[in-house]
Amino acid sequence: QVQLVESGGGLDWPGGSLRLSCAASGFNFPDFYLSWIRQAPGKGLEWVAFITSSGSFTKYADSVRDRFIISRDNAKNSLYLQISGLRDEDTAVYYCAREAGDLGFDYWGQGTPVTVSS
Amino acid sequence: QSVLTQPPSTSGTPGQRVTISCSGSSSNIGRNAVNWYQQLPGTAPKRLINNKNQRPSGVPDRFSGSKSGTSASLAISGLQSEDEADYYCAAWDDSLNHWVFGGGTKLTVL
Repeated sequence: QVQLVESGGGLDWPGGSLRLSCAASGFNFPDFYLSWIRQAPGKGLEWVAFITSSGSFTKYADSVRDRFIISRDNAKNSLYLQISGLRDEDTAVYYCAREAGDLGFDYWGQGTPVTVSS
Repeated sequence: QSVLTQPPSTSGTPGQRVTISCSGSSSNIGRNAVNWYQQLPGTAPKRLINNKNQRPSGVPDRFSGSKSGTSASLAISGLQSEDEADYYCAAWDDSLNHWVFGGGTKLTVL
């Protein structure tokens, strides 16, 4: 069955850096676009970034552009999110999700929490 | 401020039919599929249905999705206590060239 498992979250200082990972299994990873979506405490869902199946094209939300980098390793069935210049407002649970055209985000991971605090 | 607009909350009694609206524009709902996601308390979101009524296996047909113009709706009939959750709509936006979400609607089953 399809599984997405995030890791790498934690507590860091403002201005710090983190690298989130998402390990995928149960499907042909190179065939799918992937996204990172986050949810601040008590708030709604915010799309953060997506990457095409080959990794050749990426797109970011304005709130994270120039600070976040999405990447993937199709040989390792893994998705990554490099976060730098952490801000208080980056505190959230970060989910990776598989995109499936008109079916939207058809599978989600369980999420990894990121807390930014001094 | 979310690109897609949903009511913050709604409620219903067991057995009742409730609808949740999602309002957008010609660049998102007007042109692209709208998906709905259910987030039970303390869990990750899961895909529920789209406007073509395509549901993952396991999602009961009590849930239905539709859209007209730049608005979409999620209807839940025969409301059950386990339907109490947050519901989000989402669509691709051709102008922004990325995904957009609604702010979410909290459904309370009275």
